[in-house]
Amino acid sequence: QKEVEQDPGPLSVPEGAIVSLNCTYSNSAFQYFMWYRQYSRKGPELLMYTYSSGNKEDGRFTAQVDKSSKYISLFIRDSQPSDSATYLCAMSATNNDMRFGAGTRLTVKP
Amino acid sequence: EAQVTQNPRYLITVTGKKLTVTCSQNMNHEYMSWYRQDPGLGLRQIYYSMNVEVTDKGDVPEGYKVSRKEKRNFPLILESPSPNQTSLYFCASKSSGGPPNEQFFGPGTRLTVL
Repeated sequence: QKEVEQDPGPLSVPEGAIVSLNCTYSNSAFQYFMWYRQYSRKGPELLMYTYSSGNKEDGRFTAQVDKSSKYISLFIRDSQPSDSATYLCAMSATNNDMRFGAGTRLTVKP
Repeated sequence: EAQVTQNPRYLITVTGKKLTVTCSQNMNHEYMSWYRQDPGLGLRQIYYSMNVEVTDKGDVPEGYKVSRKEKRNFPLILESPSPNQTSLYFCASKSSGGPPNEQFFGPGTRLTVL
């Protein structure tokens, strides 16, 4: 079993849809949870960050962490074609290790 | 502009021909790291460095070497590349004491080993 599981998709939605992306994990020591966005031929860039459990909202993006279920989510409201990218979940137990999901490729169609 | 740079961005080589991928950061970060990205596997850490002259293995170090002689540079060396090292490689950096979310990634190097 992988330490972090993420459905690779691909996921295709119409513009304006609500997108839900999810990851599950097995290591209960993880306490830092991140979502990265990666455009084609680019490096990952940090989108959302949560420490421990709870929700965090930033504009159209909401990150949720449920440590009891070992499950994290990223919601994108009013999705735009510019949101088309691969979304990677990542998590860490310490400052210096990080485990990534496989990434979900999202396409938002106009 | 704060950034992590990698060179080359694209490289096609043959089995056994030694190569080096350079990585440089201008943010005075102590921590630097190399990852490889493969379809269905996400990013996996190859090596990391906490500071100058301090390096350690990540999850997939076999077939790779690194060095950290200067704070800003962290080259990745493939002494005898093999086709299973065909991948997309990313360098990243952050402050040593900083949380993992402060890690900055370079633009990537796409390596093909024939």
